[in-house]
Amino acid sequence: QVQLQESGPGLVNPSQTLSLTCSVSGDSINDGSYWWTWIRQFPGKGLEWLGYIYYSGSAWYRPSLRGRLAMSIDTSNNQFSLKLSSVTAADTAMYYCARAIYKNGVVVISFDVWGQGTMVTVSS
Amino acid sequence: QSALTQPASVSGSPGQSITISCTGTNIDIGRYNLVSWYQQYPGKVPKVIIYEDVQRPSGVSNRFSASKSGNTASLTISGLQAEDEADYYCCTYGGSAIFWVFGGGTKLTVL
Repeated sequence: QVQLQESGPGLVNPSQTLSLTCSVSGDSINDGSYWWTWIRQFPGKGLEWLGYIYYSGSAWYRPSLRGRLAMSIDTSNNQFSLKLSSVTAADTAMYYCARAIYKNGVVVISFDVWGQGTMVTVSS
Repeated sequence: QSALTQPASVSGSPGQSITISCTGTNIDIGRYNLVSWYQQYPGKVPKVIIYEDVQRPSGVSNRFSASKSGNTASLTISGLQAEDEADYYCCTYGGSAIFWVFGGGTKLTVL
């Protein structure tokens, strides 16, 4: 079955760029039935959708993060990535990659498969 | 501050039924049939248990059901079991201004 695995540094300095990659196995990232998603969970437990990217490269981001957030997709290596710039302590969270079901090529309906998450701490 | 409002905690005894509410607005829950619910055990990954307001994924117990009225969605768990003790989050699409928003989560305690 499909599995997602996040990778990246667990500690990032304030004002630097947080870079994470999600490797997908068991399914082709070229499958047009899904959007590839990043979601984070703060230490206080709240969940926050960050954005998602389609195999074509089209992406949608959380409006409050536009300007700091960029996603990319590498179909040849079956992985997608996130870059969040100018990070502060408020960006400290567990970062999950997830698969979003794109029903009939019209609407995203749920996040059905999640990676195990990677904890990122922003601190000097 | 979460865009969707959930009670911080609910509790029930084994065998009972409980309902968790999720209140939004007419631009998110009230506009789209895209409410989903996620179950998360401590230290574990969220798992979808309801999508498109009331649909249950294959493999999810039929003890989980959901409904929606106006700007409020609800998750009901019947025949409570100890294994249901977890955090539950609602989520919905809110249009291109906010995209996807989650509730603050509800901790379910089985007494």
